[in-house]
Amino acid sequence: GDSVTQTEGQVTVSESKSLIINCTYSATSIGYPNLFWYVRYPGEGLQLLLKVITAGQKGSSRGFEATYNKEATSFHLQKASVQESDSAVYYCALRASNTNKVVFGTGTRLQVLP
Amino acid sequence: DPKIIQKPKYLVAVTGSEKILICEQYLGHNAMYWYRQSAKKPLEFMFSYSYQKLMDNQTASSRFQPQSSKKNHLDLQITALKPDDSATYFCASSQDMGGRSAEQFFGPGTRLTVL
Repeated sequence: GDSVTQTEGQVTVSESKSLIINCTYSATSIGYPNLFWYVRYPGEGLQLLLKVITAGQKGSSRGFEATYNKEATSFHLQKASVQESDSAVYYCALRASNTNKVVFGTGTRLQVLP
Repeated sequence: DPKIIQKPKYLVAVTGSEKILICEQYLGHNAMYWYRQSAKKPLEFMFSYSYQKLMDNQTASSRFQPQSSKKNHLDLQITALKPDDSATYFCASSQDMGGRSAEQFFGPGTRLTVL
């Protein structure tokens, strides 16, 4: 079946430093999946951060970027300069082209130090 | 104003009891979903509904029964509760199923603890 792997359970970065959160995926269905990053801020619900539905494209939102790399089956999340308010749990996810089921990674907790 | 309401926020139950988790969405969406996140695990898809009809069920146990009394409601009834049912349950909705309109919006979750 489809799966998403986030290797880091927690990442700690100092404010204004750069960030990368790794995400790789495996999709067994025909066609390329849609890829997403969701974020959950403390005390809040899950929010869509960005999405990319076309292989090779880049998505961006709130200073975060992720590129859909179908050769590497990766969708890493990057930000050039993090802020303390970015502290949250980030979930990589995919939705196969022939289903409405979203498959999530285990999440990466980002802690930004002041 | 919250667009997807889940009630209650926290719920404690005893083994063997029955509980209903409430979900209402005010986004005008036609499709609704339930996901579950157990400790140290990713969110897992449970059900999808479109126009109040069950479209997909990936939950093995019949103890989990969605109930849709209105198009913008999808409650989740759980019977004969077990400690392994302890998790945060997320409701989600999308405009429709399929294509670009299938982007899913999530509620804040109900954290269920079964003692």
